[in-house]
This record gives sequence, C-alpha cells and structure tokens, in this order.
Amino acid sequence: GQNIDQPTEMTATEGAIVQINCTYQTSGFNGLFWYQQHAGEAPTFLSYNVLDGLEEKGRFSSFLSRSKGYSYLLLKELQMKDSASYLCAVSGWGKLQFGAGTQVVVTP
Amino acid sequence: DAEITQSPRHKITETGRQVTLACHQTWNHNNMFWYRQDLGHGLRLIHYSYGVHDTNKGEVSDGYSVSRSNTEDLPLTLESAASSQTSVYFCASRSNLAGANTGELFFGEGSRLTVL
Repeated sequence: GQNIDQPTEMTATEGAIVQINCTYQTSGFNGLFWYQQHAGEAPTFLSYNVLDGLEEKGRFSSFLSRSKGYSYLLLKELQMKDSASYLCAVSGWGKLQFGAGTQVVVTP
Repeated sequence: DAEITQSPRHKITETGRQVTLACHQTWNHNNMFWYRQDLGHGLRLIHYSYGVHDTNKGEVSDGYSVSRSNTEDLPLTLESAASSQTSVYFCASRSNLAGANTGELFFGEGSRLTVL
C-alpha cells in the first residue's frame, strides 16, 4: 500500500515563494505527480517526477528524492490565482494514489 | 477536441436507491478510474479499468460497481445508495501509450451526489 502525507494548509503573501512538502511510503513506485485543484473544479496536472532531482516549469518546480520518499512543489512569484489545493500523487502498480491535498491561501 | 465528460453533474437521491454516474471519454484511453473526494481525505480510488471487460477494485470499492463494455465508457453504479456515499465523484482517464504506470490523468468535471 501507500501512505502519502502533506500539510493541510499554507498561507503566503502575493509575490512570495511557498514550498509544499510531500512524504510517501509505497510498496511500488513509478513516479510522483503534482496536481492543482481550484475550489469546485477538477484537478489539473502540474508536474511529474520519476527520477531524482528538480523539474522546473515556469513559476512551478518539483523535486523528488526516491531514497527519502520525499517530494516538494515550489511555487514562486505567487499570484492570487494560485490560491488552490495542491495534490501530491504517487504512481504505482498501474494507478495513482493521492494525498489529502494542501490548501494554499495567497493573501494580498 | 477530445474530452472526458461526466453526467449528471449534480444528483440528489434517497437512501436505498440505485444510482449510476456516467463517464465518457473520447481520447481512446484504455485506462479509466473513478475517485471520490471528501474533505480531509483527498481523492480515493473506487474502481479502475485497464481496458474493455477489465475492472479492478480500489481502496474504497464497497457499495460500488463498474462495467467496461467499450473503450469510451466506465459507468459507476451505487447499488443501494447510503448517506456515507454523499461525495464528489471524479472520473479520470490516462493514455496507455506511456505505459500503465506513467502518464498524467485527465479528469472529468465531477459529479456531486447527495444521498438523503
């Protein structure tokens, strides 16, 4: 099985940087995904890491350490529209298992 | 454009009734999934399918069933709805081209079910 932990909520100021951590324990691992979900909407894909290291995509970056069972999502130059829930998901045995999500609140 | 659609988007039903949520995708994806989302629990996998006539149980499958008679559709049935099944349900699909373990999930817009 898989156990995925991430903080429940984080608050940050517009223009700042926020790092969302995700730790996981899994019996099978084929990659880690990050999704963004605005209230009342479906999750949308942000990033995918299968090898150790940092993947950068514009204002968003994601890091993976497979030996530590650890990932983080870095959101830079925060904008009000970044207020959303961010879901960490581990891929293994042909399916994705999600963490409970981290609600990010961006304040002016 | 290819897409994934769910219906109905909102449903209110009574305890004990049978309910079916439809999911239809036009990407020709082999892999399809049903999740439910509840506050504090995130997305939990109910059932999934890797192709026609293939179905598998997820972590919260009790009280739910699915069938896969074609590539495009994976309907989710609640045989006898219970108040504990009040939730938002998301259908998702994934390409088989990248292999079963990789590739992003594409989600439908969700179906909000209330069981009274």
